[in-house]
Amino acid sequence: GAGVSQSPSNKVTEKGKDVELRCDPISGHTALYWYRQSLGQGLEFLIYFQGNSAPDKSGLPSDRFSAERTGGSVSTLTIQRTQQEDSAVYLCASSPRQGTEAFFGQGTRLTVV
Amino acid sequence: DQQVKQNSPSLSVQEGRISILNCDYTNSMFDYFLWYKKYPAEGPTFLISISSIKDKNEDGRFTVFLNKSAKHLSLHIVPSQPGDSAVYFCAAKGGNQFYFGTGTSLTVIP
Repeated sequence: GAGVSQSPSNKVTEKGKDVELRCDPISGHTALYWYRQSLGQGLEFLIYFQGNSAPDKSGLPSDRFSAERTGGSVSTLTIQRTQQEDSAVYLCASSPRQGTEAFFGQGTRLTVV
Repeated sequence: DQQVKQNSPSLSVQEGRISILNCDYTNSMFDYFLWYKKYPAEGPTFLISISSIKDKNEDGRFTVFLNKSAKHLSLHIVPSQPGDSAVYFCAAKGGNQFYFGTGTSLTVIP
C-alpha cells in the first residue's frame, strides 16, 4: 500500500509478557518515528530513526522498551515484561527526510491486562 | 513540561462558519509547525504546515497563521463542514522529534 502500515491493529497481552509491534513505513522514506498516545494524553515521542544513523532513543520510557529498524525499512518496537501503564495506542510515522511532515500509520492499540 | 499547548479541549462551530483552533509553544528554536487531524481509531493525518520564516500558509479551506513573537499559531477552517469534525493536533518540529499538543476536538454542527 501507499501509506504507513502497522500490525497488529489491536493487541491484548497479559502483564509480564513481551510484545512486538511492527511498522512498515512508506517506501523511500528515510526517517521513521515511534510515538504513543495514552488515554486522554497527547502524542509522546519514543524513538527516531534516520537512515543508517544511530537512532535517537531519548523518548523511550524505560529499558523495557527497545526498537530496531532493519535494512532502513521495517521497524519493530519491543516491550518486555509489559505493565498496565504500557497500555496505549502506539503510532509509527515516516517522512521522506528530516524536517518535513511525518505520515502516520493507523496505530496499534495495546492493552495490558 | 509541555512545550506545545492547546488550551481548548473542545470547540463547536456551526456548519459554514469559521473554525479557529489555537496553539501556543514555548521553545523559540522550533522552526517548523504542523497541524494534524485525527478521527477515532485512525492515525493522525497531516493537514498543513508552515515554516518559521513565513507567517501564513493557505491550502484550500485551511489556513495556518504563525505569530513568532507571541509563540502562537492558529488554524482557520473556512467554511467549516460536518466532515471536519475530528481532533486536531498542533505540532512543532524541534531536533529529531515532533512535539505535539494534547489536541482540540472540533465538532461542526450541521
